[in-house]
Amino acid sequence: DAKTTQPNSMESNEEEPVHLPCNHSTISGTDYIHWYRQLPSQGPEYVIHGLTSNVNNRMASLAIAEDRKSSTLILHRATLRDAAVYYCILRDLITQGGSEKLVFGKGTKLTVNP
Amino acid sequence: GAGVSQSPRYKVAKRGQDVALRCDPISGHVSLFWYQQALGQGPEFLTYFQNEAQLDKSGLPSDRFFAERPEGSVSTLKIQRTQQEDSAVYLCASSLWGQTEAFFGQGTRLTVV
Repeated sequence: DAKTTQPNSMESNEEEPVHLPCNHSTISGTDYIHWYRQLPSQGPEYVIHGLTSNVNNRMASLAIAEDRKSSTLILHRATLRDAAVYYCILRDLITQGGSEKLVFGKGTKLTVNP
Repeated sequence: GAGVSQSPRYKVAKRGQDVALRCDPISGHVSLFWYQQALGQGPEFLTYFQNEAQLDKSGLPSDRFFAERPEGSVSTLKIQRTQQEDSAVYLCASSLWGQTEAFFGQGTRLTVV
């Protein structure tokens, strides 16, 4: 599985935008970029995913670089409930051996200040 | 609710004891995963089922770990002769076959003393 690199931690103030970066320089043409987040004492939850074009949903936006070697998760207005560990994960469109597993790194711990 | 349910939420086991952790996936979800999460780390893949077939068990750390999903719905992760290094949160996730979004349970926190 291709690897991703994220900062260990980031801080933001409430109601301000947050840009969480992810580098994935060895991404292949069939890798989707997924983001999950894990709130304290909870299991991870899906946030967003994309392949080449920028994506928006009710939770966040995903901006993907033209060369696809990096991406940024954007929270438009951070709230205290957004404090979590955010994971950037590459997932091959073509599963090998039938396994669709997600490979997590250490993620970015986001702290939101009131 | 309609989410992934795991039980028990907390389990304390004495070293050498056998434990069984249960996962009830979302109804109709074909794919089921088990992950192990140590303190301060991201989840690590253990095993994957498609219906009742265990297609990938490459992440199971030793032969003391065993998982089953006999009828393609509920799954059980069994750990025999528990060791202190088995202390972790065990997460279960399910997804529709061919879909991308995985739904995770809240996990079972296992403490081996």
